[in-house]
Amino acid sequence: DQQVKQNSPSLSVQEGRISILNCDYTNSMFDYFLWYKKYPAEGPTFLISISSIKDKNEDGRFTVFLNKSAKHLSLHIVPSQPGDSAVYFCAARSPDTDKLIFGTGTRLQVFP
Amino acid sequence: DGGITQSPKYLFRKEGQNVTLSCEQNLNHDAMYWYRQDPGQGLRLIYYSQIVNDFQKGDIAEGYSVSREKKESFPLTVTSAQKNPTAFYLCASSKTGNQPQHFGDGTRLSIL
Repeated sequence: DQQVKQNSPSLSVQEGRISILNCDYTNSMFDYFLWYKKYPAEGPTFLISISSIKDKNEDGRFTVFLNKSAKHLSLHIVPSQPGDSAVYFCAARSPDTDKLIFGTGTRLQVFP
Repeated sequence: DGGITQSPKYLFRKEGQNVTLSCEQNLNHDAMYWYRQDPGQGLRLIYYSQIVNDFQKGDIAEGYSVSREKKESFPLTVTSAQKNPTAFYLCASSKTGNQPQHFGDGTRLSIL
């Protein structure tokens, strides 16, 4: 049973516009959420995180929003750049095991 | 420069052979993790270790073994019991608590 879901396998956005990547989870006990960016044949790179006690965290062009009642988080990238083209994974931490559970990823393509 | 080093980048194994993937970190992180990534799937946890000389099974530990004799090293052995070992293997490390995991660049294992 997939506890963390990224229902959009791909997203295409024009350069300069906003990219919105979505992630849903099922376990209300998750207390920490992260977004990672991954290029082919490389390891994921940490982008931004948010604790369950917050509903927004911002770092430069990247903002993560958390809606606990809907069990939903999203990553906003503004403005989108061609270098943002990659696969984005969301992850959630289970506090009892300290393990991260990853979604299946969304491939973002930013075109000129 | 601090980081996580995985070697080799590409590895080939004959059927019936055991093979060991190396993971070294100089970030002074207590926790280390091994994940497997298959096409179209998220990262699945194989084994993790929160302190030296201790490790726990993840979600897909069958056919794998690990050791944690030193804080900076967490090698993964893919045994002949692993029926479908072809995958991209990622090692990660983190401080404990609400800290992001940092990843190496991965090892791609293929069966000859």
